[in-house]
Amino acid sequence: AQSVTQLGSHVSVSEGALVLLRCNYSSSVPPYLFWYVQYPNQGLQLLLKYTTGATLVKGINGFEAEFKKSETSFHLTKPSAHMSDAAEYFCAVTDSYGNKLVFGAGTILRVKS
Amino acid sequence: DADVTQTPRNRITKTGKRIMLECSQTKGHDRMYWYRQDPGLGLRLIYYSFDVKDINKGEISDGYSVSRQAQAKFSLSLESAIPNQTALYFCATSRSGSSYEQYFGPGTRLTVT
Repeated sequence: AQSVTQLGSHVSVSEGALVLLRCNYSSSVPPYLFWYVQYPNQGLQLLLKYTTGATLVKGINGFEAEFKKSETSFHLTKPSAHMSDAAEYFCAVTDSYGNKLVFGAGTILRVKS
Repeated sequence: DADVTQTPRNRITKTGKRIMLECSQTKGHDRMYWYRQDPGLGLRLIYYSFDVKDINKGEISDGYSVSRQAQAKFSLSLESAIPNQTALYFCATSRSGSSYEQYFGPGTRLTVT
C-alpha cells in the first residue's frame, strides 16, 4: 500500500530564510502528488500538484516542489520565508488505483522574526 | 461563498450519544470523502463515495457510518460516540476524471466527554 513520509514534524526557519519541507512516498508507480497547507482553524488548501509533465511545479504563495522519481521524493521549497507561511503542511499522493489520497503526518512550519 | 460547507463547526457531546456531521458542496463534484485529523497522524480516511449509490469504507471506518443523500450531501454519523473519537473531522470533494485533487471543508471539531 502507498505510504507517505514527511521528515520532521516541526520545522523552524527565520523570516527570509529558505523553507524546505521533505516528502517521500513508497510506490514505484509514479503517483499524482500534492502539497496542502492548513492555517489555524481552517481546512486544507491546495498549494500545488504534480500530475504529468514538468517535474518542477510552482504553486501559490511562492512555493514550488520537484518530483524526483529516482528518489521517490516531492520536497516543497520556498526561497524566502514569510511570517504568513506559518502553518501545517501536508504531502499527499494518490493510492495505487488513483482513487484516493494518502496523506503524510504533516509538518508544522514555524517562522521566526 | 464556501464551496464545501460543514455543520456544525464545533460540537461537544457525551459518551454514548449519536451524532451526525453534515457536509454540503456546490462544486458539482461527484466524489466525496470524510477524514479525521489527529495531531501527528495526518488525515485518515473514514469513508468515501464516488456517487450516490457507491459508498466505500476507508482505513478507519469502525464506529462510523455515512449517508449520501444527494450528489451534494454526504453525512457522517457516530452511532455511539466514544472519547477516542474526539478529533477534527473534514469533508472533501473531488471530480472523477480530473487530476484527483480534493477540496476541503472548514472542518468540524468534535469533543466526546
